[in-house]
Amino acid sequence: DAGVIQSPRHEVTEMGQEVTLRCKPISGHDYLFWYRQTMMRGLELLIYFNNNVPIDDSGMPEDRFSAKMPNASFSTLKIQPSEPRDSAVYFCASSLAPWGTKGADSNQPQHFGDGTRLSIL
Amino acid sequence: GENVEQHPSTLSVQEGDSAVIKCTYSDSASNYFPWYKQELGKRPQLIIDIRSNVGEKKDQRIAVTLNKTAKHFSLHITETQPEDSAVYFCAASFPYNTDKLIFGTGTRLQVFP
Repeated sequence: DAGVIQSPRHEVTEMGQEVTLRCKPISGHDYLFWYRQTMMRGLELLIYFNNNVPIDDSGMPEDRFSAKMPNASFSTLKIQPSEPRDSAVYFCASSLAPWGTKGADSNQPQHFGDGTRLSIL
Repeated sequence: GENVEQHPSTLSVQEGDSAVIKCTYSDSASNYFPWYKQELGKRPQLIIDIRSNVGEKKDQRIAVTLNKTAKHFSLHITETQPEDSAVYFCAASFPYNTDKLIFGTGTRLQVFP
């Protein structure tokens, strides 16, 4: 089975440049999550979508960050302009919708992609 | 705000010994607790999860226990092997928004042969 697919795997660019990260969720998954992982802050949720609609973007650090999900099989995370402190590994994850009415037994696990290692010089 | 504390940050064990990692969450409304294993340079992979209506769950050498009263949950790995060496993350669902997860800070487990 194809898992979550992210591209590129590595990105090195100079500060001020626009960076676009891409994600293809697992087919049939209704939820898509973007995370950032750093040594200092660990795994942070940036934004997540349900049925292509952004639900919570409270983790997006600044207006320089934006995310879109134009269809069920594709999402992008864009940083413009990029800064050295944006250097991190960015993960995309997807999950099925909760079963029935949300409750203790309804959560579905999140499955992560291989990540994009971003270095801003 | 909501947070998940994870201990220890590093753990070294001899092959064949058991390893225990503990997490504490802040809000009793959290109801879903997954554990992820992340090898160096790789993605976090779900290894086991538990829901608040269950006290314990086992899968071969891995078990997770949940104490809702104390708001603690723990990962137990028995008969550790060198390939168990990785960083392990616990997570808890956000209270009142179970779509979201709060991750612990991770435990680096080293299993020495």
